[in-house]
Amino acid sequence: KAGVTQTPRYLIKTRGQQVTLSCSPISGHRSVSWYQQTPGQGLQFLFEYFSETQRNKGNFPGRFSGRQFSNSRSEMNVSTLELGDSALYLCASSLGTGLTGELFFGEGSRLTVL
Amino acid sequence: QQQVKQSPQSLIVQKGGISIINCAYENTAFDYFPWYQQFPGKGPALLIAIRPDVSEKKEGRFTISFNKSAKQFSLHIMDSQPGDSATYFCAPNNRGAQKLVFGQGTRLTINP
Repeated sequence: KAGVTQTPRYLIKTRGQQVTLSCSPISGHRSVSWYQQTPGQGLQFLFEYFSETQRNKGNFPGRFSGRQFSNSRSEMNVSTLELGDSALYLCASSLGTGLTGELFFGEGSRLTVL
Repeated sequence: QQQVKQSPQSLIVQKGGISIINCAYENTAFDYFPWYQQFPGKGPALLIAIRPDVSEKKEGRFTISFNKSAKQFSLHIMDSQPGDSATYFCAPNNRGAQKLVFGQGTRLTINP
């Protein structure tokens, strides 16, 4: 069974640009959640989608958004990039309907903002 | 009530020794207590988890201990091996949780 796939793995952007990251969950998983990982702040929850609906959201500005498609694939978008957005962005899928239970993480998309 | 405190931030243990990482929480509604393991360049992966109906769970060299009254749970790695060198995160949560809070992470180094 294929794991969680994130693309692209690495990308470099400049301040003010926008970026879109993609996540394909494990087949059959309908919940996808996104996280930002930085050395200073650790792992921080961004948002969670289930059946194309955002169910939960962390404490991030509106520049961070996402969506989920009918096949459970998800994208997150960051607009007007800032230097502080440089981070590893991880997505996770789960079989359950919420944030409890085992999360299966992808390897992440490493974003560098110059 | 979402605060999660993990300690220590870093830990160095000799091969064959016992590694102990602690996680303290405030939300008494939590009912799922996992530990995730992350190697460099990889995403976190579930290592072991416990529900509050038991106080201890063992899987091979890994044991999770849960103290409900103290609102904390711990990861014990027996006979620590260099391959256990990784960053470990706790992420207690509950059904219906509206966001997920991870501990700050513990970078474990096992010296050969």
